[in-house]
Parts: sequence; C-alpha cells; structure tokens
Amino acid sequence: GENVEQHPSTLSVQEGDSAVIKCTYSDSASNYFPWYKQELGKGPQLIIDIRSNVGEKKDQRIAVTLNKTAKHFSLHITETQPEDSAVYFCAASKGRMIKAAGNKLTFGGGTRVLVKP
Amino acid sequence: ETGVTQSPTHLIKTRGQQVTLRCSSQSGHNTVSWYQQALGQGPQFIFQYYREEENGRGNFPPRFSGLQFPNYSSELNVNALELDDSALYLCASSLDWEDGYTFGSGTRLTVV
Repeated sequence: GENVEQHPSTLSVQEGDSAVIKCTYSDSASNYFPWYKQELGKGPQLIIDIRSNVGEKKDQRIAVTLNKTAKHFSLHITETQPEDSAVYFCAASKGRMIKAAGNKLTFGGGTRVLVKP
Repeated sequence: ETGVTQSPTHLIKTRGQQVTLRCSSQSGHNTVSWYQQALGQGPQFIFQYYREEENGRGNFPPRFSGLQFPNYSSELNVNALELDDSALYLCASSLDWEDGYTFGSGTRLTVV
C-alpha cells in the first residue's frame, strides 16, 4: 500500500521567515495530494491541495509543488506568522481512480511548526 | 452551512468494553470516512461509507465496525476495547467520493 514520509518532524522559524515541509510517497498511482493544518484540540483543516496534472499551486502565502517523477511534494509557507504555528500533515490518495478503495488518504507523520515572534 | 459534528468530545472506557462514536456530516455530504489518530502521529484510515454502504476499509480488525444512516450521519463502533485503541477518532465527510474532505474535531477515547 501507499507510504508517505514527511520531514522534518519539527520546524522552528522566526516570524517573517519561510517554512518548507517535504513529503515523499511510494505509490505512483496516487494523484491527489492535500495538506492539512491541525491546531490543538481540533481536527485537520485542509489548507491547500494539488493534483498530479499540476506541478505547482499557490494560495496567498502558501504554495505546494509536486514532482511526480521523484514522487515528492512540498509545502512552502512564506512570511510566517505566529498563527501559522500548528502541526501540518501531508497526505496522498488515488482520488477517484478506484471507487472500491474509497478515496482514502494516507497521511505523513506530521511536522510541528513553531513560529517565534 | 454546518460543519462536521462529532460526539462525544471525550470519553473514558475500560478495557473489554464497547464504544459507539457518532458523526454528523457537513450539509450536502453523502460520504463519511473515519480515521484513528494516535498521539503524535498522522491519522490512519479505518473505513469509508458512501450512501450507507462500506466503500473501502483500512487495516483495522473486524471489531471496528460502522454504520451510515439515510441522513448520512454515521457511527463508529469498537468492541472489546484494548489499551491501544486510545486515540483521537476523526470523522470526515465529502460529497460523493470526491477528494475534498471536511474533518470534525474528533472524539478523544481513552481506554484504561
């Protein structure tokens, strides 16, 4: 089955600096790659996603890049703010390709991001 | 538009007991997925229900079972609880089996 590795496990940055989190996946059939932010006591919240037919996607201070050949994707947060402090998870799924399998997400282990004022 | 609602938020059970967790989908969503999140780890897929039928299952034993009702709300049942079942249980809803999930805040289960 799919395996998603995420690095680093913790990341401390100064406010205003950039943060980069990297993930690799094992199943070349995966075609949907979302990123979730989880704050203490809350469920994961989708912040950005990318599909395999796109190499890069940006939404304000957040961007995601995908390299299908190398099977890795990255989250970039620019101009970090204290409210960006949270645990971030990458995930992968086969999306709509295989209905019987559901569109289950395989998550990475998470990155705890601390933005220091 | 309401989000995904889970109940209860916390509960404590004794090893060997049974537990039922509940989830109300986001309005308009007909697919519900359940995930288990152990402390310090990423969520792991338990199973998904689409229009009241199971539509995919992860590597969890049969003592983890579920239901989806005609109004698309859902239950997760766990029998013969073990200490390792202690975790945050997350429910996520989506429209059909499309990719966009909305997660609830979860139920924190502690087995003692």
